[in-house]
Amino acid sequence: EVQLVESGGGLVQPGGSLRLSCAASGFTVSSNYMSWVRQAPGKGLEWVSVIYSAGSTYYADSVKGRFTVSRHNSNNTLYLQMNSLRTDDTALYYCATSRSLTYPPDYWGQGILVTVSS
Amino acid sequence: DIQMTQSPSTLSASVGDRVTITCRASQSISSWLAWYQQIPGKAPKLLIYKASTLKDGVPSRFSGSESGTEFTLTISSLQRDDFATYYCHQYTPYSPYSFGQGTKLEIK
Repeated sequence: EVQLVESGGGLVQPGGSLRLSCAASGFTVSSNYMSWVRQAPGKGLEWVSVIYSAGSTYYADSVKGRFTVSRHNSNNTLYLQMNSLRTDDTALYYCATSRSLTYPPDYWGQGILVTVSS
Repeated sequence: DIQMTQSPSTLSASVGDRVTITCRASQSISSWLAWYQQIPGKAPKLLIYKASTLKDGVPSRFSGSESGTEFTLTISSLQRDDFATYYCHQYTPYSPYSFGQGTKLEIK
């Protein structure tokens, strides 16, 4: 059974950093296409980043240069390193996976809350 | 980057109604378009991919279509479980992805 469990969220001051983790089971992270999607309180979904099985990465303009997606094959975990955090980065962050390049994310974690505030 | 414009933002309807939600892409995305349903407090649920392919297990009252850069989600006969928020999502390979702004489907 596919499972995704996010962790690492919390309260951080503007300008600070945080690293989110997404522990996967039931499949191999390095073989799939892994996305981060966020949702600000009461707002819509915002796509953040994707990492392909071959290692290519893509980012939304709103996070480019500040966020970095990566994965660790030995512990089957996806990461999102978030630097220079701003108040508008406050959101519930989901990790999600798709089986192929031509298929959208169909398994999602439960989300982890990141709050950027002084 | 590709922008997705979704409308309407809110839709009021009754059980049994037929409803349509539209997304327009700012440039060609071929058929790399998915539709998700989100219930408050839950992760999004994939309904349709490749613009018109229904995911296994999704009721046949849901359908998707495309015409150029305009994509449509239709629910043929609303059921109580369908009142939720719907998002389009473009996942064009080798480029940044994006979501539409969402459509909240409310009971009239």
